[in-house]
Order: sequence, then structure tokens, then C-alpha cells
Amino acid sequence: EPEVTQTPSHQVTQMGQEVILRCVPISNHLYFYWYRQILGQKVEFLVSFYNNEISEKSEIFDDQFSVERPDGSNFTLKIRSTKLEDSAMYFCASSGGRGNTIYFGEGSWLTVV
Amino acid sequence: AQTVTQSQPEMSVQEAETVTLSCTYDTSESDYYLFWYKQPPSRQMILVIRQEAYKQQNATENRFSVNFQKAAKSFSLKISDSQLGDAAMYFCAYRVTGNTPLVFGKGTRLSVIA
Repeated sequence: EPEVTQTPSHQVTQMGQEVILRCVPISNHLYFYWYRQILGQKVEFLVSFYNNEISEKSEIFDDQFSVERPDGSNFTLKIRSTKLEDSAMYFCASSGGRGNTIYFGEGSWLTVV
Repeated sequence: AQTVTQSQPEMSVQEAETVTLSCTYDTSESDYYLFWYKQPPSRQMILVIRQEAYKQQNATENRFSVNFQKAAKSFSLKISDSQLGDAAMYFCAYRVTGNTPLVFGKGTRLSVIA
């Protein structure tokens, strides 16, 4: 069964460093998302991406965040200068069409020290 | 703004028994989708079941079924014949049609007692 894959599964980084989280969405999907989950809290929407541009973003997704689809398969989330409060599980997700089910990857656990 | 409320932070069930997890939501939309996701200790988000608001029939997926009450804005998940592998965090989520993000509840942690 097709699935969303994410790398790395876990990354530890120094505060102030740049981090890139990578995702390969399900191949025929058109809509891509990043969510995050701080430990013990609910899942929060960061950004959605369609047709090579951001279609919606939350207030969490400030100027230190960016997304990119550098080729036909990868979808990346960049955090330019990490802060301690960026420590969280970051989920990539994709869906095949408007209103369709959103499928999640296994997550990338980011620890900022 | 749409909100999703899960009023039960924790629930427990005996193995082979049935448990119901509650979810209510607030929306002014008439066309939307509702989901239950399971998050085991591995923290992966796994889709359990999905319900389209325009469908009156409750969705069923093997041992999992929902009780969708549109007028009451209620969407509960029933797990029958509970198994140890059902132990996880369960999140209720809502999505309007179109390319809109999911809105999640805070989750219910389900323990299954052998």
C-alpha cells in the first residue's frame, strides 16, 4: 500500500541551526501538508501546498519556516534558525484530491538543544 | 472557527469488551468530513475511519464504527472486541471540503486491560 515516507526519523540539532525535514508523499497525490505535535499536545497544522505554492498556512508558520518541492517527488520543510520550542514531532501528509483523506507519514522527531 | 472537542482525556477497556470514544465539533459548514486517527506509541498517525457529513449511514470498518449525529455535531467512535493492539491515542479530526487542513481534537488515550 502506498505510504508517505519521511526522513530523518529523529534529529537532534543545536539551537540556531538550520534543519531540513524531508518527505516523499504518495505518488499520485496533489496536496501536501506539514503538521507538528509538541510532546503531549494535539496535532497542529503548519502549512498546505498545492500546485507548487503554499495554499494555506497557520500562524505557527512564520518567517523561519519554508517549504519546497524541489523535484517531482520530494517535499521539504526547512526551519531556518531553530529554537528550543521547535522541538516536536513533524508530520508530513498528502491527499489525492479536494476533501480526500489525508494520509500521514511516520513523523520526524526534532529535538533542539 | 471550527473546533473539535474530545472530552475524555483517558479511557480504559477490558480486552474483548466494547468502548466508545466521544467527539463533538463546532462548525457552520454543511459539507465536511470527519475522521478518527489512531496514534500508537510509535507516534505514527494511522487513519481508522472516515465519515462524509452528507451520508446518513454511519461508517464501519471491521471492529470500528461511528455514531454520527449531524444535528448534535457529535461523532463518536465505537471499538468492539477490543484488542491489546488497540491501545493508543485516538484523535478525532474535522475537515471542510476542498483543500483545507484537518482540525484535531486533543485526543483520548485508550488503555486496553488484559
